[in-house]
Amino acid sequence: AQSVAQPEDQVNVAEGNPLTVKCTYSVSGNPYLFWYVQYPNRGLQFLLKYITGDNLVKGSYGFEAEFNKSQTSFHLKKPSALVSDSALYFCAVRLQRNSNSGYALNFGKGTSLLVTP
Amino acid sequence: DTGVSQNPRHKITKRGQNVTFRCDPISEHNRLYWYRQTLGQGPEFLTYFQNEAQLEKSRLLSDRFSAERPKGSFSTLEIQRTEQGDSAMYLCASSLGRPPNEAFFGQGTRLTVV
Repeated sequence: AQSVAQPEDQVNVAEGNPLTVKCTYSVSGNPYLFWYVQYPNRGLQFLLKYITGDNLVKGSYGFEAEFNKSQTSFHLKKPSALVSDSALYFCAVRLQRNSNSGYALNFGKGTSLLVTP
Repeated sequence: DTGVSQNPRHKITKRGQNVTFRCDPISEHNRLYWYRQTLGQGPEFLTYFQNEAQLEKSRLLSDRFSAERPKGSFSTLEIQRTEQGDSAMYLCASSLGRPPNEAFFGQGTRLTVV
């Protein structure tokens, strides 16, 4: 089954410092990987995705993620954290159970990011 | 607002009652997804529509749940004989049927069964 794991429930980082939110995946075949962010009282927002091509993917709000096939990881990174980045971050993998699944996603449990001033 | 719209935003119902939620996707998106999210968990896939056809249903979608997407536009999710375990946030998402494919989510309908 296609799945992702987010090993950290919470990540704390000081404003201005680099941040990393970890995600590992378990899939058969080539993974389609996504990161979404959820702010309080707002819907999930797409940040970035890896389908194929360059292992370093750049996304919205200055975030990027590195696809590492040997380590089966897709960690989310940002060089300099902002207080406004504080939110819940979800890693997801395309379910791909069959050709009728579209791009339905299997999400991780989420990681709460807290950026302190 | 041209995003995904869900109504109602909140619903409180008594156990055993039926409830129906509505999702209006982004107008040109032919793919529509329903997810359920409980506290402390990521969204869980429920069902997928391509245009008006319901192509995939999760095992989570018991026979008390039914979803429709008439004419391939808005969608409804109905839960019959609600149970306390149905209490969750129900999320709708839509996407294009061609790249870039990423899904856009609505703000969700929070269901509380008392």
